[in-house]
Amino acid sequence: GESVGLHLPTLSVQEGDNSIINCAYSNSASDYFIWYKQESGKGPQFIIDIRSNMDKRQGQRVTVLLNKTVKHLSLQIAATQPGDSAVYFCAENRRTGGFKTIFGAGTRLFVKA
Amino acid sequence: DAGVIQSPRHEVTEMGQEVTLRCKPISGHDYLFWYRQTMMRGLELLIYFNNNVPIDDSGMPEDRFSAKMPNASFSTLKIQPSEPRDSAVYFCASSLSRTSGSHEQFFGPGTRLTVL
Repeated sequence: GESVGLHLPTLSVQEGDNSIINCAYSNSASDYFIWYKQESGKGPQFIIDIRSNMDKRQGQRVTVLLNKTVKHLSLQIAATQPGDSAVYFCAENRRTGGFKTIFGAGTRLFVKA
Repeated sequence: DAGVIQSPRHEVTEMGQEVTLRCKPISGHDYLFWYRQTMMRGLELLIYFNNNVPIDDSGMPEDRFSAKMPNASFSTLKIQPSEPRDSAVYFCASSLSRTSGSHEQFFGPGTRLTVL
């Protein structure tokens, strides 16, 4: 079936280190892939997106990599800070038949001080 | 803008009662989404609207769930009758259509529903 999933449900990193959160997807028809961050008690918040015809996109302290050959998406956070502790979701936008976003299961990131 | 506004923030009700969740999207946004989040099933899209018209309601669990958007600034999600398995956090989100871009969604703070 079609799904967006995550390799690691929990990731623990030391403050100041780089974090890498991974995601696998199975549907090749999506036109955008997106990363959202959800802090405790809040709704998800957009971080960065990447179009399906790109392989890399950089933002402030974050980089998203897309490997369409193996259907893999990753989010890299540089110099991880305590405020980065949250659950991170990868998601894909599917334009077929409308506009729909499918979210993955999520990875919890713990940042140790 | 105050962002997406949802009410109530918390709702505790008894099985069989009607529950109505409310959402005010960001002004000017033309897409509105209702999601449900649970530990077991994650974040699920229930229904979404474009220009107040329901486009895809395939995620609505069953006939007990209904959603309306009478105007561009207000939407409701109703559960009647409610059941304990409906307990979850319900999020509303809105977005603005563009000719390009991923249509970033802006989420509200959610309504935590507990059905006893």
